[in-house]
Amino acid sequence: AQKITQTQPGMFVQEKEAVTLDCTYDTSDQSYGLFWYKQPSSGEMIFLIYQGSYDEQNATEGRYSLNFQKARKSANLVISASQLGDSAMYFCAMREGRNEAGGTSYGKLTFGQGTILTVHP
Amino acid sequence: NAGVTQTPKFRVLKTGQSMTLLCAQDMNHEYMYWYRQDPGMGLRLIHYSVGEGTTAKGEVPDGYNVSRLKKQNFLLGLESAAPSQTSVYFCASSIRRTALVGLAGTITDTQYFGPGTRLTVL
Repeated sequence: AQKITQTQPGMFVQEKEAVTLDCTYDTSDQSYGLFWYKQPSSGEMIFLIYQGSYDEQNATEGRYSLNFQKARKSANLVISASQLGDSAMYFCAMREGRNEAGGTSYGKLTFGQGTILTVHP
Repeated sequence: NAGVTQTPKFRVLKTGQSMTLLCAQDMNHEYMYWYRQDPGMGLRLIHYSVGEGTTAKGEVPDGYNVSRLKKQNFLLGLESAAPSQTSVYFCASSIRRTALVGLAGTITDTQYFGPGTRLTVL
């Protein structure tokens, strides 16, 4: 079973509007972290936002917020007031506290397949 | 600070050739990782290191070797390149996580990535 699922291969949004990128995850671990990264056409991986499994409030970083619904195992990224520069590939990733054998995961990330966001003027 | 740097940025190899990719970080991070990214896919972990002198296998380790002789450097080697190893390779680093579960001040172990190396094997 996939640990991280991003069901939207591509999304389109009008400039200045908000957009939600979906991410669901699968883990039996109690302590885990969820990350979103942006990959523009230039190729680099840019960290956007982090949510810990024990954090009671949704994470926010400027125009980015993470809609964390623990019971549904979803961690959707919300981008408010979209800008043309937001056009990029977006990856959701999870870091579990433990690996399958019960030992520490050493921070390894599992990535989803990504969502390509296109912002129209 | 330069963050995470990778050398080279681009490389073309012939099948059977060998090469080494260098990753360097100046953030004093304990953990370092090598990932590969193939078209239409997310990143997959090749090998990782939790400290100087230690390495471990990730999800797709076959055909690669790694070494971490110095804390700031993590080398990825291809002994005999194959066309299936055509990919973009990313190095990343992070701190050792100390989780204060349920309390304020949880330290995040965000991974910071290098710019990537685009490798083509003919």
